[in-house]
Amino acid sequence: GQNIDQPTEMTATEGAIVQINCTYQTSGFNGLFWYQQHAGEAPTFLSYNVLDGLEEKGRFSSFLSRSKGYSYLLLKELQMKDSASYLCAAKGTDKLIFGTGTRLQVFP
Amino acid sequence: GAVVSQHPSWVICKSGTSVKIECRSLDFQATTMFWYRQFPKQSLMLMATSNEGSKATYEQGVEKDKFLINHASLTLSTLTVTSAHPEDSSFYICSATQGAAGNTIYFGEGSWLTVV
Repeated sequence: GQNIDQPTEMTATEGAIVQINCTYQTSGFNGLFWYQQHAGEAPTFLSYNVLDGLEEKGRFSSFLSRSKGYSYLLLKELQMKDSASYLCAAKGTDKLIFGTGTRLQVFP
Repeated sequence: GAVVSQHPSWVICKSGTSVKIECRSLDFQATTMFWYRQFPKQSLMLMATSNEGSKATYEQGVEKDKFLINHASLTLSTLTVTSAHPEDSSFYICSATQGAAGNTIYFGEGSWLTVV
């Protein structure tokens, strides 16, 4: 079957670093996506990994291990505006399946 | 600017009526579009996969006769919620893939449906 697990909620302090983990099982694998979603808005694309390793993009980095079915999103130098839900999504053979999302709250 | 346009953004309808939501890809042809539903504080749940010129593939538990999907052209897919009930009130969002690999995925702005 297809399954994606990520923590429901996380909290962190402004300026800190936070890592959001995601494990997945899919029928076929064609990439792992991370999206940010603020309440009431559409998700916005953060990163795409299809090969093992770390992809860095500014304050955000994403890591993938295909053999372990594992990914993480790393947020550095946290800002208050980073408070949002972070959705892990795995693309299987023909569809994109989302995890439940991790609600991150950043405190001053 | 948005590359996938969804309309309407907000809609209120009476129980028992039908409502149509449109999803358009702008400046690219989307052979595949996806429809998701999101209840408050929950993740996006895939409802169906829509391929141009063929019948949509529905996820388990999604009633195809209630949620009619039409993908008549490479730039337009529509979702019609038929005989809407208050429990259908939700955030509906579409996405479209670009490119042969389909690893570029754009989301529409979403549509808030409230059934009263």
